[in-house]
Amino acid sequence: ETGVTQTPRHLVMGMTNKKSLKCEQHLGHNAMYWYKQSAKKPLELMFVYSLEERVENNSVPSRFSPECPNSSHLFLHLHTLQPEDSALYLCASSQRGGPDPKKFGPGTRLTVL
Amino acid sequence: GENVEQHPSTLSVQEGDSAVIKCTYSDSASNYFPWYKQELGKGPQLIIDIRSNVGEKKDQRIAVTLNKTAKHFSLHITETQPEDSAVYFCAASIGGGADGLTFGKGTHLIIQP
Repeated sequence: ETGVTQTPRHLVMGMTNKKSLKCEQHLGHNAMYWYKQSAKKPLELMFVYSLEERVENNSVPSRFSPECPNSSHLFLHLHTLQPEDSALYLCASSQRGGPDPKKFGPGTRLTVL
Repeated sequence: GENVEQHPSTLSVQEGDSAVIKCTYSDSASNYFPWYKQELGKGPQLIIDIRSNVGEKKDQRIAVTLNKTAKHFSLHITETQPEDSAVYFCAASIGGGADGLTFGKGTHLIIQP
C-alpha cells in the first residue's frame, strides 16, 4: 500500500457526462499532483497543489477542473471530455521542497466513448 | 525546459541475465534522477534515485550510474527475475527535490523464463 488511494479505479463515460476522480493521501504530505499517462508518452503533469493552493497548471483544457479542499484530498472534475482524453490518470503526493520523492496512487483508467 | 530521452522502449532479457536502461537529459542544471517501476494495474513506484553529488548508487540487484559530463544516467538490474517484468521510467529535476520532475517515455522490460 503506497499511502495514496484513488477512486474509482476504472471509469467509462460518454462525452456529455460529468464525473469526478478522487485522490486521498495519508502520508502527511503538503503537495498533491494530477498526471495523465497515455500509451507511449511520458507522464504529463496536469496540476500541482501546494498547501491547497494551485501553483502550476500546464495548459490543461478547461474540461478538466481540479479541486483541493484540504492537504489530504484532491479531485479532478471531468465534463464534456473527448475520446483522446482516455488515459490513466495518476495522483501523486510529496513534501514540497523536501527530499522525499513523489508517491503515486494506482491510477484511474478512464475511457471516453 | 528539460527533455529526457529513454532507451530502449522495449527490452527482453533471459531470466538471470542483466538489464540496462539508459536515459539522457538536456538541462545541465538537473541534479536529481529517480527511477520508477510500474507494474500492470499499479502506479509508478520509486525503486532508486541518485543525486548529482555521487556517480553510482546500489541497492541489492539494482544500481544507477550518473555521468554529469555526458548528461546521461543508467539503471542496471542484475540477476533478473520474473518479478522484474514491468515498465521502468527515468526522470530528472532541478533543485535536488521531487518538484518539477520530467519523465522519460518508459521502457517495457520483459524477463523471459
